[in-house]
Amino acid sequence: EVQLVESGGVVVQPGGSLRLSCVVSGLTFDDYTMHWVRQVPGKGLEWVSLISWDGGNTFYGDSVKGRFTISRDNNKNSLYLQMNSLRTEDTALYYCVKGRLGAGYHFDHWGQGTLVTVSS
Amino acid sequence: DIQMTQSPSSLSASVGDRVTITCQASQDISNYLNWYQQKPGKAPKLLIYDASNLQRGVPSRFSGSGSGTDFTFTISSLQPEDFATYYCQQYDNLPPYTFGQGTKLEIK
Repeated sequence: EVQLVESGGVVVQPGGSLRLSCVVSGLTFDDYTMHWVRQVPGKGLEWVSLISWDGGNTFYGDSVKGRFTISRDNNKNSLYLQMNSLRTEDTALYYCVKGRLGAGYHFDHWGQGTLVTVSS
Repeated sequence: DIQMTQSPSSLSASVGDRVTITCQASQDISNYLNWYQQKPGKAPKLLIYDASNLQRGVPSRFSGSGSGTDFTFTISSLQPEDFATYYCQQYDNLPPYTFGQGTKLEIK
C-alpha cells in the first residue's frame, strides 16, 4: 500500500521559515515525480511545486517562486519543502502528492496533509 | 498561466439524479484535464484523467468528456457517498498545474 506521511507544519510568524517533510512508502520512490499542493481550510486547491524523479527539474507556482524550495532524498524516500519569507497568505494545509508513473501530472496518491499557520 | 473556470460552484441534487459539472480553460489544453473528488477532512482522490479515462477502482457512474477548452464531468446516478466537492485540474505543457474553484455537491 502506498503511503505518504507529511510532517513539519506548525505556527510560524510572518517572515519566518519552515521545512516540511514527506516520507513515502509502498513504492520505488525514485521512479516518481512528486508535488506539493496546498489548500486554505475551506477553500480550493493550489498546486505549489513539483520535482522530477531525480531532482533535476523543479517548478514552482508564481505565488511561492523565489521563497520556497522543493527537494528530495531518494535514499530516504523523502520529499521536502523549504519555506522562507512566509506570509499570512501561505497559511494552508500542505499535501504531499505523487504523480503517476509516466504521467507525473496525474496526482494519484495524496498524503493527509500538514497544517502551516503563519500568524503573529 | 492557464485559468480554469468551473461551474456551478455549488449544486443540490438527490440520490439517483444525473449531475453534470463543467470546466472551461482559458486556452486550448487538448485533453490535459483531470477530475478529483474531495470529501470533508480527506485528501482529494483522482477520478478521471486525460479528460475521459476512469482511474482504476472508480465506479463507472463517473465519466468525463471534452477537449480543447470545454470539459464536462458527469455522475450518471448519484449515490449517497458521492456528496463531496469536485475539482478539475489542467496540466497543459509545463506547470503551473491549475485547479478549478471546485463544485460542492450537496444533498437536496
